[in-house]
Amino acid sequence: DAMVIQNPRYQVTQFGKPVTLSCSQTLNHNVMYWYQQKSSQAPKLLFHYYDKDFNNEADTPDNFQSRRPNTSFCFLDIRSPGLGDAAMYLCATSAQPGTGKASGGYEQYFGPGTRLTVT
Amino acid sequence: AQKITQTQPGMFVQEKEAVTLDCTYDTSDPSYGLFWYKQPSSGEMIFLIYQGSYDQQNATEGRYSLNFQKARKSANLVISASQLGDSAMYFCAMREGINFGNEKLTFGTGTRLTIIP
Repeated sequence: DAMVIQNPRYQVTQFGKPVTLSCSQTLNHNVMYWYQQKSSQAPKLLFHYYDKDFNNEADTPDNFQSRRPNTSFCFLDIRSPGLGDAAMYLCATSAQPGTGKASGGYEQYFGPGTRLTVT
Repeated sequence: AQKITQTQPGMFVQEKEAVTLDCTYDTSDPSYGLFWYKQPSSGEMIFLIYQGSYDQQNATEGRYSLNFQKARKSANLVISASQLGDSAMYFCAMREGINFGNEKLTFGTGTRLTIIP
């Protein structure tokens, strides 16, 4: 049962051509995240939504935008991809803290990622 | 200063042996959570185990246990009876604070574990 779904799994775009990556979840979680992970590096948080409240990381380039039209879906838009934006993009979700789980509901559930290639 | 430090870029372990992956952290917040994730070559990050800063006992989940030493600020992952399928990248991560607005996870640089048959 897929819980966090990302489409497509592989995306090739041209330098400067806008691209949208999508994420959906069946967990009904309040919080959704977008991470960028470059080869052999740790994931880097770009932004996250707490319900409809958007939280941008200070060092996220303006080239990256996001939309969350409803609880289930979240999109990552890269307005003008550069070669340096080639990476794996991971979507994650988490529940509202204090759900009563042993982990306090804090763990994030990740999708399989979209590997973006920029040519 | 690094908030999460994983000093082992790579490890090779014989199948069926136990393995310890090191993680140290740095925070001044008394409330925090520590996580371990596994990332196979397919790319998906898989949640393994969680330890809260106020938890009195070390967390365990099946073959995974977390050796939490609060005074030393370490949260090492122990995998017992390793299997070939354990070969993957392992990330330690921390969330500082447990309140709304503190959802951010900070990841370490990871340890690549290879299980040798």
